[in-house]
Amino acid sequence: EAQVTQNPRYLITVTGKKLTVTCSQNMNHEYMSWYRQDPGLGLRQIYYSMNVEVTDKGDVPEGYKVSRKEKRNFPLILESPSPNQTSLYFCASSYGQGYGYTFGSGTRLTVV
Amino acid sequence: KQEVTQIPAALSVPEGENLVLNCSFTDSAIYNLQWFRQDPGKGLTSLLLIQSSQREQTSGRLNASLDKSSGRSTLYIAASQPGDSATYLCAVIRDSSYKLIFGSGTRLLVRP
Repeated sequence: EAQVTQNPRYLITVTGKKLTVTCSQNMNHEYMSWYRQDPGLGLRQIYYSMNVEVTDKGDVPEGYKVSRKEKRNFPLILESPSPNQTSLYFCASSYGQGYGYTFGSGTRLTVV
Repeated sequence: KQEVTQIPAALSVPEGENLVLNCSFTDSAIYNLQWFRQDPGKGLTSLLLIQSSQREQTSGRLNASLDKSSGRSTLYIAASQPGDSATYLCAVIRDSSYKLIFGSGTRLLVRP
């Protein structure tokens, strides 16, 4: 089944404890992105990647890192999480121009 | 800067009614427009993708139209059912980064 898989689905952590949210797609998509969704602010792009080893900042990149060493994986790294990073996170992928995006099921992160 | 607006913010209709959700965007230079459905606390499910050269797309009871010149898209849902209750999001893809820019969504409730 074609899908974008995120793990974990739920995560509660403490301020400052490094964490990684994994994202993997099995569709050979070139484009991958991370979004966060917050009440009243909607969905905002954090980082994106147009291919292996090609990443760039989105609208709200502060406090996050990403890497794209393989085409299928695009992990989101929070080096020192803070409570304002409590949010619902989505990974998405696409073939690119002319094609739509497929989203993962989301990761609900709480930083206390 | 591209802005996407969805009206109405919330809609409640009786089962069986046909309905229209609206999406407007400020910059007509878009690649694609994609409609999504989101159930509470869940991921985004792609409903329809309209490429910039297309005027409409249909899938089952759903029909989406696109008028780039006026910066508008509509999602038409025929014979609504309680299972259609969800938040509907439209998103435009504007530039070479292939970033999705989302509207704030329309929360739909279909009453039995």
